[in-house]
Amino acid sequence: DIQMTQSPSSLSASVGDRVTITCRASQSISSYLNWYQQKPGKAPKLLIYAASSLQSGVPSRFSGSGSGTDFTLTISSLQPEDFATYYCQQSYSTLWAFGQGTKVEIK
Amino acid sequence: EVQLVESGGGLVKPGGSLRLSCAASGFTFSSYSMNWVRQAPGKGLEWVSSISSSSSYIYYADSVKGRFTISRDNAKNSLYLQMNSLRAEDTAVYYCARETEYYDILTGYSHFDYWGQGTLVTVSS
Repeated sequence: DIQMTQSPSSLSASVGDRVTITCRASQSISSYLNWYQQKPGKAPKLLIYAASSLQSGVPSRFSGSGSGTDFTLTISSLQPEDFATYYCQQSYSTLWAFGQGTKVEIK
Repeated sequence: EVQLVESGGGLVKPGGSLRLSCAASGFTFSSYSMNWVRQAPGKGLEWVSSISSSSSYIYYADSVKGRFTISRDNAKNSLYLQMNSLRAEDTAVYYCARETEYYDILTGYSHFDYWGQGTLVTVSS
């Protein structure tokens, strides 16, 4: 099975900061990588699919990059509504797997 | 507007059974694969099971294989998860999610574009 590892597990940042979250796959998954945002008590929301494609309606400050085993989610200028937990997910295998999550907190 | 509404959660004793439902509306349900994803209290997301549009392909996470059964009724626009032999570690919010495929030339990339609000399953004596 493919394992997904995110880093860091949590981070503190200020409004306006550039934030980068990393996701590593245990084997090559080409560009089969999605990113989700989840706020407390809410369902996850799709941000990025196919490693770098922005979901409709998602602000352009969110971007994704990477291929193979290493991927990044970047928030170019952190906004108050971006404080949440972010998950990567591989779609290479039919046995879907999520990373453990990265919690973005207010500094 | 796409809507997914889960129901059927509740408190059940270890070893018991529960059937979750997900009612879909606002899209052609029979054209999409569907998934169940769960989240234990304070923990991350865990994919549970998926079913293709015509029920031809079904997959399970190892943690639920042999105990859970996913099914769907396209005439009723509904997705189900039959959960048997429940354990304390099955306690979680269960979400249903629609799976959509994006095609880049000849390659299809899948993702979960719509999620329900979740239903809580608590397994405790």
